[in-house]
Amino acid sequence: GIQVEQSPPDLILQEGANSTLRCNFSDSVNNLQWFHQNPWGQLINLFYIPSGTKQNGRLSATTVATERYSLLYISSSQTTDSGVYFCAVEQSNFNKFYFGSGTKLNVKP
Amino acid sequence: DSGVTQTPKHLITATGQRVTLRCSPRSGDLSVYWYQQSLDQGLQFLIQYYNGEERAKGNILERFSAQQFPDLHSELNLSSLELGDSALYFCASSALPVGGEASYEQYFGPGTRLTVT
Repeated sequence: GIQVEQSPPDLILQEGANSTLRCNFSDSVNNLQWFHQNPWGQLINLFYIPSGTKQNGRLSATTVATERYSLLYISSSQTTDSGVYFCAVEQSNFNKFYFGSGTKLNVKP
Repeated sequence: DSGVTQTPKHLITATGQRVTLRCSPRSGDLSVYWYQQSLDQGLQFLIQYYNGEERAKGNILERFSAQQFPDLHSELNLSSLELGDSALYFCASSALPVGGEASYEQYFGPGTRLTVT
């Protein structure tokens, strides 16, 4: 199967700081999504972004499919941004969804 | 709220028992996916159904089985439960890719937390 690597594994930020999370994948993909898992375990969709750039408020994401990576930008971080951020990809022609191991973000007040 | 519902929210059972987890997809979605999230294995894809038919299989144990019914809800059956089956089980749904799209965005339910004692 496809390998999905996320970095950094852990990130501690002061409120108001900016950050960039990275997701590398080892093969071509049909689908790439970013999720935020909150402290209650809920997986919240952030972006559906198999290619290109999208923005939603303080968050934006860019996927460069030809170079097999995606970036999630968080600007002006807030304590409510804390949690685990997952990248997940669907490998082309396989109909299987693979998650990275996540980036655990802790935003301190 | 993603529109995907899962029941029950929590389940505590003993080793060797059998349980059934239920999922209702978003209105109009034909595909249902099951995932397992455990501390040691992370989030793993188990199985996908599309309009009642199995479409893709991941790391699903033989003790586990799933099906999708004509009303599109799905059930995941876990039998001969072991301590290591304790995990958060997610269901997700998506629409059918159309117009040249290879895939559609998946929406996740709130999960069922299974504890095997």
